[in-house]
Amino acid sequence: AQSVAQPEDQVNVAEGNPLTVKCTYSVSGNPYLFWYVQYPNRGLQFLLKYITGDNLVKGSYGFEAEFNKSQTSFHLKKPSALVSDSALYFCARSSGGYQKVTFGTGTKLQVIP
Amino acid sequence: EPEVTQTPSHQVTQMGQEVILRCVPISNHLYFYWYRQILGQKVEFLVSFYNNEISEKSEIFDDQFSVERPDGSNFTLKIRSTKLEDSAMYFCASSERADYGYTFGSGTRLTVV
Repeated sequence: AQSVAQPEDQVNVAEGNPLTVKCTYSVSGNPYLFWYVQYPNRGLQFLLKYITGDNLVKGSYGFEAEFNKSQTSFHLKKPSALVSDSALYFCARSSGGYQKVTFGTGTKLQVIP
Repeated sequence: EPEVTQTPSHQVTQMGQEVILRCVPISNHLYFYWYRQILGQKVEFLVSFYNNEISEKSEIFDDQFSVERPDGSNFTLKIRSTKLEDSAMYFCASSERADYGYTFGSGTRLTVV
């Protein structure tokens, strides 16, 4: 079954430092991979996706993610964290077409001033 | 920017009662989804809807659940006889194409007492 894993429940990073939120995916076909962010009491907002092509994808708010097939990873990164980046981040995947998107368990990012 | 609108934002209902959660997807979107999130953590797929029919549903989406697109703009989720464990945030989402990221609504917090 298709799935994603987010090994960290919480990530703390100092403001201005680079941040990484980890995600690995199960090897099943050619995955479509996504990152979403959820601010408190809000819905999920789409950040970026990888379907095919360049392994490094750029998304909203200065975030990017690197698709690594050999490590089956799709880590979310940002060169310089902002306090306003503090939120819950979800990695997700589908098998393409209109197949359902399956979400990871989420990682809470805390950016410390 | 176009939004997915969900109403009500909060619904309290007694166990055994029927509830209808409403969503207005983005007008040119063709794919519609319901997800739920319990305790601000796990995001669970319920159902996907395309071309006026269910395209996929999860194990959670049993006979007490139904979806409808009654008038070409609204997309509703009905829970016929609510149970305590149905208490969750319910998110509607839509997308223009199957391999695009979703746009989520802000959610309806359902509390079953």
